[in-house]
Amino acid sequence: EAGVAQSPRYKIIEKRQSVAFWCNPISGHATLYWYQQILGQGPKLLIQFQNNGVVDDSQLPKDRFSAERLKGVDSTLKIQPAKLEDSAVYLCASSLFVGGGYEQYFGPGTRLTVT
Amino acid sequence: SQQGEEDPQALSIQEGENATMNCSYKTSINNLQWYRQNSGRGLVHLILIRSNEREKHSGRLRVTLDTSKKSSSLLITASRAADTASYFCARGTGNQFYFGTGTSLTVIP
Repeated sequence: EAGVAQSPRYKIIEKRQSVAFWCNPISGHATLYWYQQILGQGPKLLIQFQNNGVVDDSQLPKDRFSAERLKGVDSTLKIQPAKLEDSAVYLCASSLFVGGGYEQYFGPGTRLTVT
Repeated sequence: SQQGEEDPQALSIQEGENATMNCSYKTSINNLQWYRQNSGRGLVHLILIRSNEREKHSGRLRVTLDTSKKSSSLLITASRAADTASYFCARGTGNQFYFGTGTSLTVIP
């Protein structure tokens, strides 16, 4: 079974530029998550989709971040314009209900550096 | 904060020793999950323990959960250099997850 795919793996941009990340979850997983992980911290949920609907985007900085999940499969996360503090790893995950709870499966992440 | 807190923040042990890390949380859970993250990689799911369970084993991993104290512990027995990684607990409510700050484990060969 293929895992969660993300691209690109690395991205370096200047502040005020825009950037987009792509995620393809595991086939059949209805729930998709985008997390931001700043160096030395745990992942912070940015947005959660159930199929193509948003479940939780309370921690998404909506003035600069946007995300969509068309057709309930692939998803893109966009930052426009980027700030220095957006430098982080952006993790995509999908989940499946297994024996008593949902288990998350993570992609390799996209490491963003904003200069 | 909805996040849990892992303790200690960093742990260094000799290969073959046991490693114990703890996780505390503040609100109710359906389950608690532990993940491993190697440097520069995504998170790997290790084990899930449901709120009505007290202990669970998987290979060299042993997880305990005390819902009255809102805490969990992860024990790695007979550690190996390959266990060097960051370990995170995640409080699960339904299909939402809230991660702690992580414990950085270094196993010295």
